[in-house]
Amino acid sequence: SQQGEEDPQALSIQEGENATMNCSYKTSINNLQWYRQNSGRGLVHLILIRSNEREKHSGRLRVTLDTSKKSSSLLITASRAADTASYFCATDYKRGAQKLVFGQGTRLTINP
Amino acid sequence: GAGVSQSPRYKVAKRGQDVALRCDPISGHVSLFWYQQALGQGPEFLTYFQNEAQLDKSGLPSDRFFAERPEGSVSTLKIQRTQQEDSAVYLCASSLRDSGNTIYFGEGSWLTVV
Repeated sequence: SQQGEEDPQALSIQEGENATMNCSYKTSINNLQWYRQNSGRGLVHLILIRSNEREKHSGRLRVTLDTSKKSSSLLITASRAADTASYFCATDYKRGAQKLVFGQGTRLTINP
Repeated sequence: GAGVSQSPRYKVAKRGQDVALRCDPISGHVSLFWYQQALGQGPEFLTYFQNEAQLDKSGLPSDRFFAERPEGSVSTLKIQRTQQEDSAVYLCASSLRDSGNTIYFGEGSWLTVV
């Protein structure tokens, strides 16, 4: 079963708007990572947030983590057409070894 | 190299054929992972190496799948007697060491079994 599940499955917004994607998971984690995947390409790492952190920023990206609700959110501000991609959260829950478990992703479309 | 390198990028195999997919991780990265990604799905874990030791192969779907990393750097994923359900993107990833480090992915090897 999927450890991380993204919501919504698809999101379409206008350029310049903010995009928010959510991720829920089931078991305690070491850390959570967000990745972007353009069509036909590999995964690009966006941000890693550790289980003892609540919020992290990187450029136009803001990630929050709520371990009590076992959820995370990725906010992309001032979206651009180039942000069109699939976004995945991945959880690392196995102590001592990285075994990322991915959700099915959110397909984000930015309309010009 | 600058990133994780995978070859071939695209492979079409006839059902029953054996295939070998190569991964060249980032230099100095101890951990190496293989993932399988079906169309429209998230990546699914296959196996994990720390240096040359295969510490976790719980995700390999059958005994037709075999991975090795004999010298602790380059890795090969081999699929024997390919079947149509093996069609997927096979992603290799590497990281410096244990949990808490960023995992970097390659562009993937797209396998189509006909």
